[in-house]
Amino acid sequence: KAGVTQTPRYLIKTRGQQVTLSCSPISGHRSVSWYQQTPGQGLQFLFEYFSETQRNKGNFPGRFSGRQFSNSRSEMNVSTLELGDSALYLCASSLAASGGNEQFFGPGTRLTVL
Amino acid sequence: AQSVTQPDIHITVSEGASLELRCNYSYGATPYLFWYVQSPGQGLQLLLKYFSGDTLVQGIKGFEAEFKRSQSSFNLRKPSVHWSDAAEYFCAVGGRNSGYALNFGKGTSLLVTP
Repeated sequence: KAGVTQTPRYLIKTRGQQVTLSCSPISGHRSVSWYQQTPGQGLQFLFEYFSETQRNKGNFPGRFSGRQFSNSRSEMNVSTLELGDSALYLCASSLAASGGNEQFFGPGTRLTVL
Repeated sequence: AQSVTQPDIHITVSEGASLELRCNYSYGATPYLFWYVQSPGQGLQLLLKYFSGDTLVQGIKGFEAEFKRSQSSFNLRKPSVHWSDAAEYFCAVGGRNSGYALNFGKGTSLLVTP
């Protein structure tokens, strides 16, 4: 069974631009979560989607948004990029949004904002 | 509020020696507890998880962890470390109170010396 895939793996943008990251969950998984990882703040939860609905959201500004498609694939978008948005963005999928279901992480997208 | 503390930022152990990585959590209800490992340039891999039942849980790669409710701890152990265990280790807590989003500690970087 294929794991969680994320595209692109690396991205370089300049301040003010916007970016879209993509995540394909493990087949059969309906929940997709996004996390931001930085050296200073560590791993922080962005949001979680289940059956195309955002069910949970972390403490990030509205510039960060996401969506999920009917095939469970998910995208996250960051508008008006800032230098501080440089990070590794990790996507995780699980069977359902339940603590009893472990989250499987993809390799991440490394975003660099210049 | 929920939080996870990993007191040790860096730990160095000799190959073959035993390992214990500390994790303390704060959570207002029954927590779901996880240990993940991250190798450079990689996503997160689940080592083990605790939901309920036996407080000593076994994971992959010879790791185990013990849940101690009275101490709000979930320490990770391995009796004999291999050089390939060098990586970043993250403790995480989740559950109903957080909408099942994972709240991660800042991580412990493990260095294994010959």
